[in-house]
Amino acid sequence: QQQVKQSPQSLIVQKGGISIINCAYENTAFDYFPWYQQFPGKGPALLIAIRPDVSEKKEGRFTISFNKSAKQFSLHIMDSQPGDSATYFCAAGEDSSYKLIFGSGTRLLVRP
Amino acid sequence: DTAVSQTPKYLVTQMGNDKSIKCEQNLGHDTMYWYKQDSKKFLKIMFSYNNKELIINETVPNRFSPKSPDKAHLNLHINSLELGDSAVYFCASSWLVSTVRTGELFFGEGSRLTVL
Repeated sequence: QQQVKQSPQSLIVQKGGISIINCAYENTAFDYFPWYQQFPGKGPALLIAIRPDVSEKKEGRFTISFNKSAKQFSLHIMDSQPGDSATYFCAAGEDSSYKLIFGSGTRLLVRP
Repeated sequence: DTAVSQTPKYLVTQMGNDKSIKCEQNLGHDTMYWYKQDSKKFLKIMFSYNNKELIINETVPNRFSPKSPDKAHLNLHINSLELGDSAVYFCASSWLVSTVRTGELFFGEGSRLTVL
């Protein structure tokens, strides 16, 4: 079963545009929502993370928006750059579990 | 200095063979993981060890056996390899922030296994 659903599967954005990736979860016990970025041939690396006590977190051009009632969260990349081209994974974790459940990934291509 | 290193990076083998992938981390973390990434990029946890103790054991075939000789090393041995085992296997490590919560995962660069 897919506990964290991620969309879109792939995304093409022009340089300077806004990239938006969405995730939805089912388990209300989830209380930690990180985003990981993966470049080809590399392992995923933590980009930004949020906990449900806030509705938004911003780090530079990257923003997580969190909607607890809708059980959805999204990653916004402002002023997207070609160097942002990568696969992005949302994930969710919960207290009482050591596991992170990953979404299926979004391949982002930012055209120059 | 590589934080989480895996060997080998590429592995091509025949069905039925047995193979191992090794992982070492020099971050001083107490928890290590194996994740499998399939051809569709889906990342799924397989195992986790905290200070050499198994804490996560997902539903994977018994042909997969992890071993942690110490908290800096976590190896994955796979018996009787099948075509469906072809994937990229990622090792990761983290701090155990509390008794139930892990911190940021630091991933290795992956080991691409191809079973012919």
